[in-house]
Amino acid sequence: QKEVEQDPGPLSVPEGAIVSLNCTYSNSAFQYFMWYRQYSRKGPELLMYTYSSGNKEDGRFTAQVDKSSKYISLFIRDSQPSDSATYLCAMSADGRFQGAQKLVFGQGTRLTINP
Amino acid sequence: GAVVSQHPSWVICKSGTSVKIECRSLDFQATTMFWYRQFPKQSLMLMATSNEGSKATYEQGVEKDKFLINHASLTLSTLTVTSAHPEDSSFYICSAKTGVGNQPQHFGDGTRLSIL
Repeated sequence: QKEVEQDPGPLSVPEGAIVSLNCTYSNSAFQYFMWYRQYSRKGPELLMYTYSSGNKEDGRFTAQVDKSSKYISLFIRDSQPSDSATYLCAMSADGRFQGAQKLVFGQGTRLTINP
Repeated sequence: GAVVSQHPSWVICKSGTSVKIECRSLDFQATTMFWYRQFPKQSLMLMATSNEGSKATYEQGVEKDKFLINHASLTLSTLTVTSAHPEDSSFYICSAKTGVGNQPQHFGDGTRLSIL
């Protein structure tokens, strides 16, 4: 069983739709949760960064973490064609030792927003 | 802010050649840098972690003599793929973070390595 599971998609929705992306995980030590967006042949771009359980909103993006269920979500409102990309969830345990932060990534979900 | 530059973006070379990839943090000091490998349609796999001035810590299964990492300054880390072979062809991505604790990692745009 992988530490982090993410549906690879592909997921295709019409412009303006609300998109829901999800990851589950098995390691209860994870406390820091991130969502990255990756365009083709580019490096991942940090979208959201949250600690422990709860919600965080930034513009059209909302990240939710439910540690009791080991489940995290990213919602995209009013989706745009420019949101078409691969979305990666990533998480880590408390990595304060020597400043390291080992991230474990999900497989990534390919999202296409159709005009 | 938090810009990470990676160079070259694409390299093609013959089997047996050694290839060096540079990763620079442009507007912050990177106490820790990470090197990942990504195969098509797959996620990022951590290869090694390096702290400035220290030897890199390699993940299980990654050959340290094959993938040489140098992190000589707070703004530069290099990955050298020695005697590269076609199976080393992949997308290599670096990331950098500053400070101790769980500051987020910021990624470069990756290097596409093709070994003929």
